[in-house]
Amino acid sequence: AQSVTQLDSQVPVFEEAPVELRCNYSSSVSVYLFWYVQYPNQGLQLLLKYLSGSTLVKGINGFEAEFNKSQTSFHLRKPSVHISDTAEYFCAVITLGGNTGNQFYFGTGTSLTVIP
Amino acid sequence: EAGVTQSPTHLIKTRGQHATLRCSPISGHTSVYWYQQALGLGLQFLLWYDEGEERNRGNFPPRFSGRQFPNYSSELNVNALELEDSALYLCASSQGAVQPQHFGDGTRLSIL
Repeated sequence: AQSVTQLDSQVPVFEEAPVELRCNYSSSVSVYLFWYVQYPNQGLQLLLKYLSGSTLVKGINGFEAEFNKSQTSFHLRKPSVHISDTAEYFCAVITLGGNTGNQFYFGTGTSLTVIP
Repeated sequence: EAGVTQSPTHLIKTRGQHATLRCSPISGHTSVYWYQQALGLGLQFLLWYDEGEERNRGNFPPRFSGRQFPNYSSELNVNALELEDSALYLCASSQGAVQPQHFGDGTRLSIL
């Protein structure tokens, strides 16, 4: 079965410290990977995407993520966080084709709280 | 460029009633997706429409249905509402099935 696991439901971090939000997926077919951010009472905004090519992808607001096929991971990182980064972060996977067609999976989210 | 718009913002219903949620995609986007975001459960994929056809659906009962119109807008219909249907319903659109999805701000459905 396909799934997305975000290992940390809550991550507190001090302002200007680095942060890593972890995401692992399971899939037997090809995948496309995404990270989204959700601010309170808003929809989701795309942070970055991996479709193909370089496994290190850079997104908006200084975030980056690395696709590791052998570890089936797509962890999100930022070297120095700001108060404004406080939000909910979702890892998402699109699995391609197979018997059930394209499928769309989101993790349960990681709540990032930046402490002044 | 206008983003994905959803209406209404809030919807309050009682058990057994019917709800209709609407979504207008970004201009040029042909794929529309519906998700349910219940408290503590993340986003659960509901439905995917592309070019007017239902392409796939998630693990939800048949009382969750929808359609996509010729202008690519979409509506989600939920029949025989149950208390556990209370959630934020998010609509997203994309230019293609594997392109990034752009989300609306959602419709918060509350069942009393």
